[in-house]
Amino acid sequence: EAQVTQNPRYLITVTGKKLTVTCSQNMNHEYMSWYRQDPGLGLRQIYYSMNVEVTDKGDVPEGYKVSRKEKRNFPLILESPSPNQTSLYFCASQRAGRGYEQYFGPGTRLTVT
Amino acid sequence: QQQVKQSPQSLIVQKGGIPIINCAYENTAFDYFPWYQQFPGKGPALLIAIRPDVSEKKEGRFTISFNKSAKQFSLHIMDSQPGDSATYFCAASTKAANFGNEKLTFGTGTRLTIIP
Repeated sequence: EAQVTQNPRYLITVTGKKLTVTCSQNMNHEYMSWYRQDPGLGLRQIYYSMNVEVTDKGDVPEGYKVSRKEKRNFPLILESPSPNQTSLYFCASQRAGRGYEQYFGPGTRLTVT
Repeated sequence: QQQVKQSPQSLIVQKGGIPIINCAYENTAFDYFPWYQQFPGKGPALLIAIRPDVSEKKEGRFTISFNKSAKQFSLHIMDSQPGDSATYFCAASTKAANFGNEKLTFGTGTRLTIIP
């Protein structure tokens, strides 16, 4: 089954404690992105990757890091989480040239206290 | 700044009615206009998409109407059912030049409830 998986699905942490959210896709897609979803703001892109070892900032990259060492994986790293990073996070993947057709993971709900 | 404006924020329609969700954009560089459907606890999923050189597209009970001169597009759901209750996001995609960002710019979402 073609899918994007994320782990964990739910995470509660404290300010400053480093965390990683994993993302994996099995569709051999070139592009992967991270979005955050907040009420009244829709989904906003955090970072994206066009291929292995190629990443760049989206609209709201502050406080986040990513890496793309393998084509299927695209982890999101919060090195020092803060309460304003409490949000619902989605990983997505797509084929090159089909930016309108993105496949989203099930989401990770993060709470930073 | 928000580049895709969506309304209404929430909508309640009786079963069989035709909910309409509207979006407007400013950036003429957008090359595709998709709609995504999101059920509680799930990620958004592509529902239907339209190119700016087409005025209407239908897929089953879902129709996108597109007005290029007004920079507006809308989603209509015919014969709506309780199972259509979800959050709907309009979006606009940016065609990348030279292998750049092909991101989606999303509207703020519409929570649709279809009552029996």
